[in-house]
Amino acid sequence: AQSVTQPDIHITVSEGASLELRCNYSYGATPYLFWYVQSPGQGLQLLLKYFSGDTLVQGIKGFEAEFKRSQSSFNLRKPSVHWSDAAEYFCAVGARGGSEKLVFGKGTKLTVNP
Amino acid sequence: GAVVSQHPSWVICKSGTSVKIECRSLDFQATTMFWYRQFPKQSLMLMATSNEGSKATYEQGVEKDKFLINHASLTLSTLTVTSAHPEDSSFYICSVRSQTSDTGELFFGEGSRLTVL
Repeated sequence: AQSVTQPDIHITVSEGASLELRCNYSYGATPYLFWYVQSPGQGLQLLLKYFSGDTLVQGIKGFEAEFKRSQSSFNLRKPSVHWSDAAEYFCAVGARGGSEKLVFGKGTKLTVNP
Repeated sequence: GAVVSQHPSWVICKSGTSVKIECRSLDFQATTMFWYRQFPKQSLMLMATSNEGSKATYEQGVEKDKFLINHASLTLSTLTVTSAHPEDSSFYICSVRSQTSDTGELFFGEGSRLTVL
């Protein structure tokens, strides 16, 4: 079964600084990988996804993520963080074919200082 | 993309009462919907998979008699928390799998916060 680890529970960055949120997965084959963002009291919004092809994927709100098979990682990055990016970020892994449930990491809370 | 709507957004109830939460798929018909539960500062835990016209599939450890799921139409699934107690207080989120993609991505409702007094 697949699993996801987000090593950082809470990250604080200054507005305008760069950001990298870590995600490591465990799965026997090439998975589908997702990053979701959740604002307080809200549902989850898909930022980006990887399923094949270019290992560097672009998402909404200026986010990108890179799939590194050798490291079993799918880290999320943003070159310049905005105060509105403060939220909880979840990495998720799904099996090929989409028939199995998505498994989520425990999330990383991002705080942005002015 | 898909639009998923949940109602109510938040609800407060007395211990021992039952609460129903609705999840609607607005953009397409969904034969399958998923119900997640999220504890404060924690990740999402899949509770059950709601299947249109058949019984829901519950994850291990989830009481099916406690959390009743009904998926009577292709656009509506309901979660009823029966005889709610304070430990049932949580954020409940439904989701729908995109039918236009084979990558398994989910579209989420806005969530429903349940507080049991």
